[in-house]
Amino acid sequence: EIVLTQSPGTLSLSPGERATLSCRASQSVSSSYLAWYQQKPGQAPRLLIYGASSRATGIPDRFSGSGSGTDFTLTFSRLEPEDFAVYYCQQYGSSPSITFGQGTRLEIK
Amino acid sequence: EVQLVESGGGLVQPGRSLRLSCAASGFTFDDYAMHWVRQAPGKGLEWVSGISWHSDSIAYADSVKGRFTISRDNAKNSLYLQMNSLRAEDTALYYCVKGITMIVVVVQNDAFEIWGQGTMVTVSS
Repeated sequence: EIVLTQSPGTLSLSPGERATLSCRASQSVSSSYLAWYQQKPGQAPRLLIYGASSRATGIPDRFSGSGSGTDFTLTFSRLEPEDFAVYYCQQYGSSPSITFGQGTRLEIK
Repeated sequence: EVQLVESGGGLVQPGRSLRLSCAASGFTFDDYAMHWVRQAPGKGLEWVSGISWHSDSIAYADSVKGRFTISRDNAKNSLYLQMNSLRAEDTALYYCVKGITMIVVVVQNDAFEIWGQGTMVTVSS
């Protein structure tokens, strides 16, 4: 099973700043089957990025994903107040299991 | 509008069973794989199980294999999760999730496009 490790655990930034979240896999993620989700308190997760770099429907272009192999990144070009939430990466390229990272909390500084 | 509505959660004693249901609408249900994902209180996300559009690819997390059974009824646009031999560690909010890939061949090769609001399962004596 592929283990995903996200860093940092918590990131404190201000609106308007650029943010970079990291997701490292214990082995290579095939076909860049890597996704990112946003979850706000009391809400279901929302898909942001799939295939490592493709934005899901309706996701603004300030969100971007990159990476391949074992190292992936979610970047916010400029943080908006509504972006402060918990972010999870997920790999879906390896049988038998789909796995998630433990999450990164993005909080307002 | 795409919508997923879960039901069937509740309080159950360890060792007992529970069946979750998910009613889907707003999309062609039998074109997509469906999944269950759970989240224990205050914890992260855990994929539980997935089923392909035609039920020919089914997979489970090791933590539930042999105890949980996923199924779907395309005529009713519904997804199910039969949970047997429940344990305290199964306590979680269970989300019904629509895959993003049309006609996926291997159910694990799928990201999660649309999520329901979840149904809470509490296993306690």
